[in-house]
Amino acid sequence: KQEVTQIPAALSVPEGENLVLNCSFTDSAIYNLQWFRQDPGKGLTSLLLIQSSQREQTSGRLNASLDKSSGRSTLYIAASQPGDSATYLCAVSRTTDSGGGADGLTFGKGTHLIIQP
Amino acid sequence: DAGVTQSPTHLIKTRGQQVTLRCSPKSGHDTVSWYQQALGQGPQFIFQYYEEEERQRGNFPDRFSGHQFPNYSSELNVNALLLGDSALYLCASSLLIYGTGETQYFGPGTRLLVL
Repeated sequence: KQEVTQIPAALSVPEGENLVLNCSFTDSAIYNLQWFRQDPGKGLTSLLLIQSSQREQTSGRLNASLDKSSGRSTLYIAASQPGDSATYLCAVSRTTDSGGGADGLTFGKGTHLIIQP
Repeated sequence: DAGVTQSPTHLIKTRGQQVTLRCSPKSGHDTVSWYQQALGQGPQFIFQYYEEEERQRGNFPDRFSGHQFPNYSSELNVNALLLGDSALYLCASSLLIYGTGETQYFGPGTRLLVL
């Protein structure tokens, strides 16, 4: 059974700092890995998706890496801003038993991030 | 282009009742997945629908059932509600692409409170 762990559970840093959020998963047979952002009481916003054949993806100040063999991913946020405050969730999918397409996502519990002005 | 929409936004029910939640996928998407998110936890996969059939199911009891319509919209039904069913229910849509992974786009969720 796939298990996803995110460290740290919570993080508070001053504005402007660069930071790294960590995600690990137990089963390396994944289709892809996604990073999401969730604001309090809201739905999820997709930030980055890394296919299993890729090593990293970048979008603006965000960079996500994937190391399938070690079962790890990191989300790097550069020059953090108060608007980055949210919960960041890591999720992985794997192939369905029928061998076609990706199945439901398995999520970690998230990292609650606070950026202090 | 409307994203994923869900209705209602909030719902209060009592134990033993039944509830139906609704989801309209993002334009062009053909696959709908449902997730349950308890407070302080990550979402848990309930099931996924494609071509009006349940394609994959997570570890949820038969009290949880669903349906997908020809226009790709979907419903989640929960029977015999328990206090533990109180959660944020999230719908996600995607375009099924064999051989690769696809981004799932989430709706704002329906907050269900069972008293």
